[in-house]
Amino acid sequence: IVLTQSPGTLSLSPGERATLSCRASQSVSSTYLTWYQQKPGQAPRLLIYGSSSRATGIPDRFSGSGSGTDFTLTISRLEPEDFAVYYCHHYGSSPRYTFGQGTKLEIK
Amino acid sequence: QVQLVQSGAEVKKPGASVKVSCKVSGYTLTELSMHWVRQALGKGLEWMGGFDPEDGETIYAQKFRGRVTMTEDTSTDTAYMELSSLRSEDTAMYYCATLDSTGYLYYFEYWGQGTLVTVSS
Repeated sequence: IVLTQSPGTLSLSPGERATLSCRASQSVSSTYLTWYQQKPGQAPRLLIYGSSSRATGIPDRFSGSGSGTDFTLTISRLEPEDFAVYYCHHYGSSPRYTFGQGTKLEIK
Repeated sequence: QVQLVQSGAEVKKPGASVKVSCKVSGYTLTELSMHWVRQALGKGLEWMGGFDPEDGETIYAQKFRGRVTMTEDTSTDTAYMELSSLRSEDTAMYYCATLDSTGYLYYFEYWGQGTLVTVSS
């Protein structure tokens, strides 16, 4: 399974809505679809698991949705600290753990 | 709360091996499924391998089979990742990460701070 994220780079302003896409090369279980946030010089941070469940401490402006081959991470109103790289991830059969290539969310 | 503290940066010559450690606190290593993920500078995340609860054993990404060994010392709650036959393309940040505490959702819940491995002659 290959996860393809789009766009590669998204340029938005604080306060705007961000929509990030993760497309799987074949249908996958939403139970095992995860989103991470990574800021420069830091390890990735768990955001969303099970496609739509927020991890502990994640603000409710972050939401995840999707099923089958198409999944979306939405940030309703961008805060300055939200500008980072976002990765989707899936647990499956082969390869067992797969990451998308990432979407860079930058300040416009 | 799980904390993962990794060993310091390494500089190795091509053909050498590197062994990175990941010390667990807050839980015991036997309660966790430890994995390793690497990231070349400016690039994306790449899963290398780890303990898979479904298989009940350590599994490795095909790309690294034969070159990587992941071990654990439960007496010190420390996990290790050894990568051999290093080449310049192995220059990357290496992260340890644990699977979720539920044991059945298979996401990486806790991450170490990363260990930079530089391969250079």
